Amino acid sequence: KNEVEQSPQNLTAQEGEFITINCSYSVGISALHWLQQHPGGGIVSLFMLSSGKKKHGRLIATINIQEKHSSLHITASHPRDSAVYICAVSRNQFYFGTGTSLTVIP
Amino acid sequence: ETGVTQSPTHLIKTRGQQVTLRCSSQSGHNTVSWYQQALGQGPQFIFQYYREEENGRGNFPPRFSGLQFPNYSSELNVNALELDDSALYLCASSLEGGGSPLHFGNGTRLTVT
Repeated sequence: KNEVEQSPQNLTAQEGEFITINCSYSVGISALHWLQQHPGGGIVSLFMLSSGKKKHGRLIATINIQEKHSSLHITASHPRDSAVYICAVSRNQFYFGTGTSLTVIP
Repeated sequence: ETGVTQSPTHLIKTRGQQVTLRCSSQSGHNTVSWYQQALGQGPQFIFQYYREEENGRGNFPPRFSGLQFPNYSSELNVNALELDDSALYLCASSLEGGGSPLHFGNGTRLTVT
């Protein structure tokens, strides 16, 4: 069983739709990270959070420590949001989910 | 501020050979971690180095080894390459282990034939 589970694995949305990606984890953590990976491999850190909610532009990340669950929301989605979104948790080391592949269609 | 750089970007090796991949950490970062990402999969944690000492290891055999240097740059060495070692190898640096954001390099694409 993976320490980090993401859903859905694949997601296709129309431009402008509100998108939610979910992440559940089973280990104790010091922080949860949301990462974005574009084709070709480059990974960018979007958020690091250990409680509550963070917002950056059209992206919102929330975490519920008691339920060991986090969500990444994208408002007014755009084709340039198409990427793989990866949830990772950290304590002494990092555990990664397998990613959610998002395609936003114009 | 320089980002994380990895070299080489692409590499082709033959089964049984050995390979060394290199990573320069972001300036000021003392922790580096290495990941293997197979096609269509999420990154798998290989190991982490903090101030030149390995302080965490994933489920990888001993033929995967590493080093971190005093300037916090790092190497990943893989001996006796197998076909299944073909993957994207990512390096990430951070401050003080798991409680700070990760900064990733663009990876080294290794193909074992």
